[in-house]
Amino acid sequence: GAVVSQHPSRVICKSGTSVKIECRSLDFQATTMFWYRQFPKQSLMLMATSNEGSKATYEQGVEKDKFLINHASLTLSTLTVTSAHPEDSSFYICSANSASYEQYFGPGTRLTVT
Amino acid sequence: AQTVTQSQPEMSVQEAETVTLSCTYDTSESDYYLFWYKQPPSRQMILVIRQEAYKQQNATENRFSVNFQKAAKSFSLKISDSQLGDAAMYFCAYRSVHSGGSNYKLTFGKGTLLTVNP
Repeated sequence: GAVVSQHPSRVICKSGTSVKIECRSLDFQATTMFWYRQFPKQSLMLMATSNEGSKATYEQGVEKDKFLINHASLTLSTLTVTSAHPEDSSFYICSANSASYEQYFGPGTRLTVT
Repeated sequence: AQTVTQSQPEMSVQEAETVTLSCTYDTSESDYYLFWYKQPPSRQMILVIRQEAYKQQNATENRFSVNFQKAAKSFSLKISDSQLGDAAMYFCAYRSVHSGGSNYKLTFGKGTLLTVNP
């Protein structure tokens, strides 16, 4: 089956620093990847849609200069949280569309900003 | 825009019993997909079952089945012979058949937390 990986699974960073999260489709090519944020016991909130070779499309209310997304290849998308603050602490999940538009999810990354 | 509503924030069931999770949705489209995802404590999203709107037959995957009522825009999940490993957050989701610029993104409900009691 299609597998999506995320790295790192957990990261702790200091306030004001930047942190990069990688999302890879391991056995399929994904022209579209999605980035979600999830707070405890809440649903997934779509942050942005990442298309290979083009600019990401951000959902309303998501700061594109704070959450930089790059989708440089058909198997890799990255989310960089710039100048992180404690309120950015959350669980971030990526997913990737297969050729049949089935969406496969990564295991998530827990970000803690101290 | 499509919306998905899960009206049960929490549900509980006794092991080996049957439980039904509710989901309603709103759309003006005639063709679409509906999904149930499971998110256990590990937080890995797992696809439980998928229903294509043009198919009248309800989808079934082992102990999991759906009751798809297109006219009522209802899509409930029935879990039979509940097991301890079924304890998780369950999300109902909608996806259009046609991209329409949405890149086939999913619209999620708020989720139902299922507890399985031994």
